[in-house]
Amino acid sequence: EAAVTQSPRSKVAVTGGKVTLSCHQTNNHDYMYWYRQDTGHGLRLIHYSYVADSTEKGDIPDGYKASRPSQENFSLILELASLSQTAVYFCASSDWDRDSGNTLYFGEGSRLIVV
Amino acid sequence: AQSVDQPDAHVTLSEGASLELRCSYSYSAAPYLFWYVQYPGQSLQFLLKYITGDTVVKGTKGFEAEFRKSNSSFNLKKSPAHWSDSAKYFCALGLPQTGFASALTFGSGTKVIPCLP
Repeated sequence: EAAVTQSPRSKVAVTGGKVTLSCHQTNNHDYMYWYRQDTGHGLRLIHYSYVADSTEKGDIPDGYKASRPSQENFSLILELASLSQTAVYFCASSDWDRDSGNTLYFGEGSRLIVV
Repeated sequence: AQSVDQPDAHVTLSEGASLELRCSYSYSAAPYLFWYVQYPGQSLQFLLKYITGDTVVKGTKGFEAEFRKSNSSFNLKKSPAHWSDSAKYFCALGLPQTGFASALTFGSGTKVIPCLP
């Protein structure tokens, strides 16, 4: 079954530590995205990618890096985790064409708590 | 820049009543519009989308939405609705760019809360 899977699903990190969130999709989609959701709020775009080995900045990229080593995999990297990065992170994938747009399919989310 | 507004942070739902969730957008041309639902502790699930054509679109779980260009709205409806529809609903906007997709811009969401008798 086509899916977007994220790991880890939950993590507690120490302030100043490095965190890597991984995402793997079997949808054969070209586009992948990282969003963060803060309690009680909507989703904000951090980074996205439309082809392997290339990433683009979203609306809130500061403090985050992204890596797309293959079509299937997309990672989000926090080099120096901070308290303000405590949130739930969602990965998504999509395809696109002008007639059907780009429906995003989301992973289960990764809950990150920075202490 | 484009934006999505969901003016109601919370809406209460009585079993069997009609449900309507409001969404308005700001964009200079006709966007792609989406609705997603998030059940507690779960990820976002796609409900429906408007790309072009018929302004009333039907989706999964018995939902439908109407695109109104005149007032830049894309309201979600279900009748009758049930307590099992209690969840958080997100409206999202995509840009019809040539050659590549744009990421979706999400509203802040509307939480549907059951109104128990």
